Amino acid sequence: DIQVTQSPSTLSASVGDRVTITCRTSQSISTWLAWYQQKPGIAPKLLIYKASTLESGIPSRFSGSGSGTEFTLTISNMQPEDFATYYCQQYNVYWTFGQGTKVEIK
Amino acid sequence: QITLKESGPTLVKPTQTLTLTCTFSGFSLTSTGAGVGWIRQPPGKALEWLALIYWDDDKRYSPSLKSRLTITKDTSKNQVVLTMTNMDPVDTGTYFCAHKRQWMDHLDYWGQGTLVTVSS
Repeated sequence: DIQVTQSPSTLSASVGDRVTITCRTSQSISTWLAWYQQKPGIAPKLLIYKASTLESGIPSRFSGSGSGTEFTLTISNMQPEDFATYYCQQYNVYWTFGQGTKVEIK
Repeated sequence: QITLKESGPTLVKPTQTLTLTCTFSGFSLTSTGAGVGWIRQPPGKALEWLALIYWDDDKRYSPSLKSRLTITKDTSKNQVVLTMTNMDPVDTGTYFCAHKRQWMDHLDYWGQGTLVTVSS
């Protein structure tokens, strides 16, 4: 099984901040990685796929990078609606989610 | 417009079998490259992928739950069904179905989820 580790598990930020979340996989997955945003009581929303491709309709302040085993999600200029939990997911071999990163208001 | 909706029991007893149905619209599971997956989320915890079925009836299961899961499709009804046997209280959570993007393996559209509680 491919293990997926996200860090940090919780992050405090202010509106306007630049936020970076890291995702590491236990073996190389090329760029087969997606990022999702989830708000309480709502299904996850796809933000980025293939490590760096922005899903249609997602604001350009979200960006993804990385390949192999290390990946990052960056939110530049945090907006009030961006406070949520973020998950990465590898889909190179089956599908595995990270444990999530909750972005809280500082 | 792709939509998916999960349905099934809200409460099951320990040792019972859970059957969930995902009814979708906006795409066909007969289209080459299409797929539908199931994911669950215990209260306050992370997402966990369970199973996925492809347009050609190929199936993938989480290795840790494979012995308990069966995924099937009914293309005439635009439905995908997941069964999970021998339910336990730790299986309590919200169960989501999701559309796999055609010719890619990420999940782009999700249902709203359905909460399943396992309790006697």
